[in-house]
Amino acid sequence: GQNIDQPTEMTATEGAIVQINCTYQTSGFNGLFWYQQHAGEAPTFLSYNVLDGLEEKGRFSSFLSRSKGYSYLLLKELQMKDSASYLCAVTAPGANNLFFGTGTRLTVIP
Amino acid sequence: GAGVSQSPSNKVTEKGKDVELRCDPISGHTALYWYRQSLGQGLEFLIYFQGNSAPDKSGLPSDRFSAERTGGSVSTLTIQRTQQEDSAVYLCASSFPAGNYEQYFGPGTRLTVT
Repeated sequence: GQNIDQPTEMTATEGAIVQINCTYQTSGFNGLFWYQQHAGEAPTFLSYNVLDGLEEKGRFSSFLSRSKGYSYLLLKELQMKDSASYLCAVTAPGANNLFFGTGTRLTVIP
Repeated sequence: GAGVSQSPSNKVTEKGKDVELRCDPISGHTALYWYRQSLGQGLEFLIYFQGNSAPDKSGLPSDRFSAERTGGSVSTLTIQRTQQEDSAVYLCASSFPAGNYEQYFGPGTRLTVT
């Protein structure tokens, strides 16, 4: 089976840095996605990690440790528009769909 | 360019009625997925299409749920004899070959069964 855990909610201050963690226990592992979803909107792709290490993309970075079953999404220089849900999803061998965690709702406050 | 579109955006139906939800994927995407997102729950996989065939229907919650895809493009998810627990946002996504490719999501259909 697949088990993906994320914190349910987080709050951070505008201009600060926040780290959203994701741990997974899955039957096989190919890679890990992070998606952003604003309320009432479609999830949009942020990052995809296959190998261990940090992938940086502007204000957003994503880290993966395959041996630990752990990933995090790092958001720097937070802006009010970053208030959204952040979804961690895993792909596994032989499965074509994404396995999603419940998502982390981030609220950015002034 | 056009993204994934879904219709209707909102649907309110009475318990026991049938509903059809439509998805138009990005042109050229061969893989199409349906997910369900209930309040406080993660996205739940329902069904996957490669072209017009559905090799993976493992996520369909009951035999009241069915889906088809025609012409390798538009897909319809049908829920028969709707129940209140079917209330959720139904999201469609498409990608190039299935697997480790980014999936592009549509805005979803919010289904409310009264």
